[in-house]
Amino acid sequence: EPEVTQTPSHQVTQMGQEVILRCVPISNHLYFYWYRQILGQKVEFLVSFYNNEISEKSEIFDDQFSVERPDGSNFTLKIRSTKLEDSAMYFCASSEVGIGYNEQFFGPGTRLTVL
Amino acid sequence: AQSVAQPEDQVNVAEGNPLTVKCTYSVSGNPYLFWYVQYPNRGLQFLLKYITGDNLVKGSYGFEAEFNKSQTSFHLKKPSALVSDSALYFCAVRDMNNQGGKLIFGQGTELSVKP
Repeated sequence: EPEVTQTPSHQVTQMGQEVILRCVPISNHLYFYWYRQILGQKVEFLVSFYNNEISEKSEIFDDQFSVERPDGSNFTLKIRSTKLEDSAMYFCASSEVGIGYNEQFFGPGTRLTVL
Repeated sequence: AQSVAQPEDQVNVAEGNPLTVKCTYSVSGNPYLFWYVQYPNRGLQFLLKYITGDNLVKGSYGFEAEFNKSQTSFHLKKPSALVSDSALYFCAVRDMNNQGGKLIFGQGTELSVKP
């Protein structure tokens, strides 16, 4: 069964450093998402991406964040200058289309720890 | 604004007993509702969804959910709980106001099934 994969599973970085989180969505999916979950809190939407551009972004997704689909398979989230409060589990998700009734499939997540 | 609420942080059930995990929603228009489960150190796994039609929706692992429009609820149920059902459960609603269709999650309910 196809699945969303994410690398690395755990990333430790120093405050102020840049990190890139990588995702490989399911191959025939067209919509891609990043969510994050701070420890003990709910899952929060960051950004959605379709047709090589951002469809929607949350207020969390400020200028420090960017997303890219550099080739036909990878989908990346970059944080330019990490802050302590960026420590969270980051989930990538994909869906076949963006209309309401399609479920999103989630990857296993990358745990980002900012020291 | 669209939102989802899970009124219980934790639900404790004895194995073999029925379980219910509660969810209420607030949306404008028709809701597209989802349940996801998160096992420790894992991503979110899709359980079931309500789009339209029958109010009782059946999903994976013997779970079902009942959509109640008058009570704006979408409670997750299982007739006979297993110890292996112990996990974190998230209710979510699809945002139909934007093309990307992000998911808006509840805060999660930790289900503990004891032998």
